[in-house]
Amino acid sequence: QKEVEQNSGPLSVPEGAIASLNCTYSDRVSQSFFWYRQYSGKSPELIMSIYSNGDKEDGRFTAQLNKASQYVSLLIRDSQPSDSATYLCAVNSNTGKLIFGQGTTLQVKP
Amino acid sequence: EAGVAQSPRYKIIEKRQSVAFWCNPISGHATLYWYQQILGQGPKLLIQFQNNGVVDDSQLPKDRFSAERLKGVDSTLKIQPAKLEDSAVYLCASSKKGDQPQHFGDGTRLSIL
Repeated sequence: QKEVEQNSGPLSVPEGAIASLNCTYSDRVSQSFFWYRQYSGKSPELIMSIYSNGDKEDGRFTAQLNKASQYVSLLIRDSQPSDSATYLCAVNSNTGKLIFGQGTTLQVKP
Repeated sequence: EAGVAQSPRYKIIEKRQSVAFWCNPISGHATLYWYQQILGQGPKLLIQFQNNGVVDDSQLPKDRFSAERLKGVDSTLKIQPAKLEDSAVYLCASSKKGDQPQHFGDGTRLSIL
């Protein structure tokens, strides 16, 4: 079992729709969770961090964390073509090491 | 605030040659990381420094890879000798502490011929 799992996609949504990106992790004692956006040929850019159960909203982005289910998700409302990128889920292990999923490619079609 | 600086941006070498990458973290960030990102995969941690000490190098292929962070600021990552499977983007990141969000540099794209 991979430590952090994401569906590689591509996930295709029409412009203006809600994009839902999901991530599961295996280490129950993980405390910190991050979503990074990576455009093709660019480095990862931090867009959301979440540390406690529930929802955290920042503009069009909402991160959701459920530690009991070992599940973290990212919702993007009113998706724009400029949101087309690979979204990386990252989980801080109990050793302090950040483990990345393989990323989900999002395509927002005009 | 200046971001994480890396150089070079691109490097092409032949297998069995050596190569070195340089990273300057965000000012005041004590923790520095080197990642390897192969096309289509997420970044994989190679080594983590806290100031000038190594916290985790469990996934660093120590027979060919080495890294140092003298004086707890800049860092260099070296590969000697390079293999074809080392073709990847090498990313440097830094954070204030080990459990804080990490910020990435632009990376070095390495191609091995």
